[in-house]
Amino acid sequence: AAGVIQSPRHLIKEKRETATLKCYPIPRHDTVYWYQQGPGQDPQFLISFYEKMQSDKGSIPDRFSAQQFSDYHSELNMSSLELGDSALYFCASSLGFGTQETQYFGPGTRLLVL
Amino acid sequence: SQQGEEDPQALSIQEGENATMNCSYKTSINNLQWYRQNSGRGLVHLILIRSNEREKHSGRLRVTLDTSKKSSSLLITASRAADTASYFCATGISSNTGKLIFGQGTTLQVKP
Repeated sequence: AAGVIQSPRHLIKEKRETATLKCYPIPRHDTVYWYQQGPGQDPQFLISFYEKMQSDKGSIPDRFSAQQFSDYHSELNMSSLELGDSALYFCASSLGFGTQETQYFGPGTRLLVL
Repeated sequence: SQQGEEDPQALSIQEGENATMNCSYKTSINNLQWYRQNSGRGLVHLILIRSNEREKHSGRLRVTLDTSKKSSSLLITASRAADTASYFCATGISSNTGKLIFGQGTTLQVKP
C-alpha cells in the first residue's frame, strides 16, 4: 500500500540558510500534520492542514511556515535556520479530520544545521 | 513531555518473554495511539484505542486504557528480536484538532 512520502530524506544546511521539506500524503488523505523530533526527544506537533486550510498550530517557530496545496501535498518552509533546528521532521496524513483518525507517518526528513 | 510519562524509559528482555510498557497522561483524551520507532526512523502505527474502550488486541499486542487513572499499557507477548525499538504512546485530546501529543517513549531491547 502507498505510504506517506517525504523529501528529501536527509538535508544539511548552514546557519541562517533556508530549507523546504515536502510531504506527499497517502492518496485520498486530506489531512497533513507536521512534527519535529529532536535527538532523544519525543515528537512535537508543529502544524496541521485539513482540505488545504490550516487546522491547528503547535510549537512552530515564526521562522517556519507551511501550506497544503491543491493536490494535498504539503511543504514546510524553514528560514534563518538555527543549530537547534537540527531534528527529524515527520509528516503524517489521515483521512478525515480529528483525533479519531489514525495518523500514518512518513519516514521523516533528517535536517542537520551546521 | 507535554502530556505525560512512559514507564519504564528502558526495558531489556529475552526473546520469548513478554514486555509491558506503561503510559500516563494528564488531560482528557479522545483516543490513545501506540507507535513504534526503529532507531532514528519513521513512526509505525501499532494500535488505536478510543476513550470508551478498555482493551484492544492486535496480533501479539494488547493495549489497555484506564481513563480514571489516565493511563494505558502496551503488552507485547512472546517478544522477538525484531521487536527491538522505541515505543511511544500518543494522545488525541480533542475532536476539534487532530494533533497528537506524544509521551517520552520506552526503549525496548529484546535479546536473542
